[in-house]
Amino acid sequence: KAGVTQTPRYLIKTRGQQVTLSCSPISGHRSVSWYQQTPGQGLQFLFEYFSETQRNKGNFPGRFSGRQFSNSRSEMNVSTLELGDSALYLCASSSLAGGQDTQYFGPGTRLTVL
Amino acid sequence: SQQGEEDPQALSIQEGENATMNCSYKTSINNLQWYRQNSGRGLVHLILIRSNEREKHSGRLRVTLDTSKKSSSLLITASRAADTASYFCALNDYKLSFGAGTTVTVRA
Repeated sequence: KAGVTQTPRYLIKTRGQQVTLSCSPISGHRSVSWYQQTPGQGLQFLFEYFSETQRNKGNFPGRFSGRQFSNSRSEMNVSTLELGDSALYLCASSSLAGGQDTQYFGPGTRLTVL
Repeated sequence: SQQGEEDPQALSIQEGENATMNCSYKTSINNLQWYRQNSGRGLVHLILIRSNEREKHSGRLRVTLDTSKKSSSLLITASRAADTASYFCALNDYKLSFGAGTTVTVRA
């Protein structure tokens, strides 16, 4: 089976812009979770989608949003980018929701906000 | 939600030695998972241990879980340079909550 893929791998944006990141889960997985990783805050949960529905949301502002399509692919959008949004964004897919089973991570998208 | 707390924050060992790191948490969990991350790349799943299990093995890895003490440990035996990475425990609390990780350096 192909692993979790994320596009793009690297992205440079300027403050105020918006960005869309994409994640394709492992075939058959219906859960996709998104995480932000920064040196200061570590790995923080953004949100999880399961069968096109947002199941859980972390403590992030409304500028961070996501969606999941019927083929389980997921996108994450960040609007009005701030310098502090510079981070590695990781998505993970799983066969079960809520962290009940192994999560398989993609390689991440490195976002730099200038 | 809770996060696991890994201890130590950093560990430096000689190749061939064993490495042990611990994860403590505060409330009940369904499962606890260990992940490895090499230098800012994606996380690799190592072992998932459920709350009704006490020990699991995978190759050179051994994970224990003590729910009465709310703690888990990850043991890497006969370490290799390729084991140099950050190791995270993640708690299943309706989502995965990650700790700050233990950075392991294996010296040749």
